Amino acid sequence: EVQLVETGGGLVQPGKSLKLTCATSGFTFSNAWMHWVRQSPEKQLEWVAQIKAKSNNYATYYAESVKGRFTISRDDSKSSVYLQMNSLKEEDTAIYYCTWGITDWGQGVMVTVSS
Amino acid sequence: DVVLTQTPVSLLISLGGQASISCRSSQSLVHSNGNTYLHWYLQKPGQSPQLLIYQVSNRFSGIPDRFSGSGSGTDFTLKISRVEPEDLGVYYCLQRTHNPFTFGSGTKLEIK
Repeated sequence: EVQLVETGGGLVQPGKSLKLTCATSGFTFSNAWMHWVRQSPEKQLEWVAQIKAKSNNYATYYAESVKGRFTISRDDSKSSVYLQMNSLKEEDTAIYYCTWGITDWGQGVMVTVSS
Repeated sequence: DVVLTQTPVSLLISLGGQASISCRSSQSLVHSNGNTYLHWYLQKPGQSPQLLIYQVSNRFSGIPDRFSGSGSGTDFTLKISRVEPEDLGVYYCLQRTHNPFTFGSGTKLEIK
């Protein structure tokens, strides 16, 4: 059974940092292209970032809204993917989902950016 | 970025009835490899989105044949026949042809 479990969310002040972790199981993680997708309080879904597999040189891609502030990374030995979020803004407030190929999704983790 | 316009915003359908949701793209979703990466998801209350249809018309594993997708180019449709109580939620289209991937704004299906 495919499982994706996100952790690391919480309340953070604008300008601060937070790192999300997604631990996975049930599929061959090392071959997987992983994504982070977020859902705003208004329920709009937004693709955030992608990281490809080692065979694709771990290529990464970002939404313009987070480029330069967020970094996606992975540890194949731990079957985990991460999202380092720096210089957070109030508009980054959302539920963050980890997804495998945008096919299987985790349960999501809430990130609230507020002073 | 590609804009996906979903209509209607909401639907009120009787049990056993049929629902139709449109997703129109601001540009063609045909990839240079010939495939069209337009997918449909359902987000049930309190849950993560789940994949229903991939590449326009292919039902994902375990999805009943009451769900069907069609369309080409810039116009796509999701049809749900014989609506059941578990079909309620918000339906989203997603395009993965062009970077960045983009979602429609959602269609809320309510059951009469």
